[in-house]
Amino acid sequence: EPEVTQTPSHQVTQMGQEVILRCVPISNHLYFYWYRQILGQKVEFLVSFYNNEISEKSEIFDDQFSVERPDGSNFTLKIRSTKLEDSAMYFCASRMTGGTDTQYFGPGTRLTVL
Amino acid sequence: AQTVTQSQPEMSVQEAETVTLSCTYDTSESDYYLFWYKQPPSRQMILVIRQEAYKQQNATENRFSVNFQKAAKSFSLKISDSQLGDAAMYFCAYRSAVGYGGSQGNLIFGKGTKLSVKP
Repeated sequence: EPEVTQTPSHQVTQMGQEVILRCVPISNHLYFYWYRQILGQKVEFLVSFYNNEISEKSEIFDDQFSVERPDGSNFTLKIRSTKLEDSAMYFCASRMTGGTDTQYFGPGTRLTVL
Repeated sequence: AQTVTQSQPEMSVQEAETVTLSCTYDTSESDYYLFWYKQPPSRQMILVIRQEAYKQQNATENRFSVNFQKAAKSFSLKISDSQLGDAAMYFCAYRSAVGYGGSQGNLIFGKGTKLSVKP
């Protein structure tokens, strides 16, 4: 069964460093999302991406964040200068076009900022 | 703005018994989707069940079923014959059906209910 994959599973970085989190959505999906979950809290929407551009973003998604689909398979989230409060689990999700509205989530990347 | 409320931070059930997790939401929209996701200790988000608001019939998936009360804006999850593997965080989520492309496709989550299953 197709699934969303994410790498790395765990990333440790120093405050102020740039990190790139990678996702490979399900191959026939066209809508992509990033969510964040700070430990012990609820999952929060960051950004959605469709047709090679951001379609919606939350207040969390400030200038420090960017997303890109550099090729036909990868979908990346970049944090330019990490802060301690960026430590969280980051989930990528994807969805088909039309028909179903179900988003399928990847296993997540745990980001730890020291 | 839409909100999702899960009023039970923790629940416990005996193995083989039935448990119901509560979820209420607030919206002014008439068309939307509701979901229950399971998050085991591995922290991966796994879809349990989904419900389209325009459907009156409650969704079921094997041992999982929902009680969708649109007028009351309530969407509870019932787990029958609970198994040890059901122990996890359960998140209720809302998605607007309006808009096209990725617009308004994001999920709005509740804070979750931690379910423990006792052997």
